[in-house]
Amino acid sequence: DTEVTQTPKHLVMGMTNKKSLKCEQHMGHRAMYWYKQKAKKPPELMFVYSYEKLSINESVPSRFSPECPNSSLLNLHLHALQPEDSALYLCASSQDRPGVLYNEQFFGPGTRLTVL
Amino acid sequence: GQQLNQSPQSMFIQEGEDVSMNCTSSSIFNTWLWYKQEPGEGPVLLIALYKAGELTSNGRLTAQFGITRKDSFLNISASIPSDVGIYFCAGSIQGAQKLVFGQGTRLTINP
Repeated sequence: DTEVTQTPKHLVMGMTNKKSLKCEQHMGHRAMYWYKQKAKKPPELMFVYSYEKLSINESVPSRFSPECPNSSLLNLHLHALQPEDSALYLCASSQDRPGVLYNEQFFGPGTRLTVL
Repeated sequence: GQQLNQSPQSMFIQEGEDVSMNCTSSSIFNTWLWYKQEPGEGPVLLIALYKAGELTSNGRLTAQFGITRKDSFLNISASIPSDVGIYFCAGSIQGAQKLVFGQGTRLTINP
């Protein structure tokens, strides 16, 4: 299995809603990532989890809250978002094992989020 | 911070033509990755490069890791309609979790 899966595919939410994005991989990867991508732009890194611990937070507003329940799952909890947070949210994973040189990141299909 | 200059920003070609795009950086990278992204989908990894001077092929795609470690190019031969999409280069330092992305090259093919 070489896939990263994400649910839901599309999400529309109001500014007062609480919702969660989910990501799953079964490649045995130990690093998982959340990216935000605006139209016609490259992905922007938000968070990195390595061995289920948060290793990088790119100064993301607290209305985005990541969670890594286990090595295969990654969640992004959303609360009180703004319309400008509308974007494609991408999850990715990589091996991130000591001594492993090849750390390609594999992306999921993304969740298209619209904040009204 | 580190930046990648990817060019061209867009290409409009005829089916069957060859395509070339490149990325340059003011910093040295140990890894170059090339991704393709289609509308509404996540980026798909095409080629990964890990050694300076390395030339790697994946079907009609060929990519090279520049000798200086500051550049990489991607060539697509005999383009077909399904090659349409945005191609991103990305670089990283060995062991680093952060990827630095280029701004993308949007490829459009006229049949």
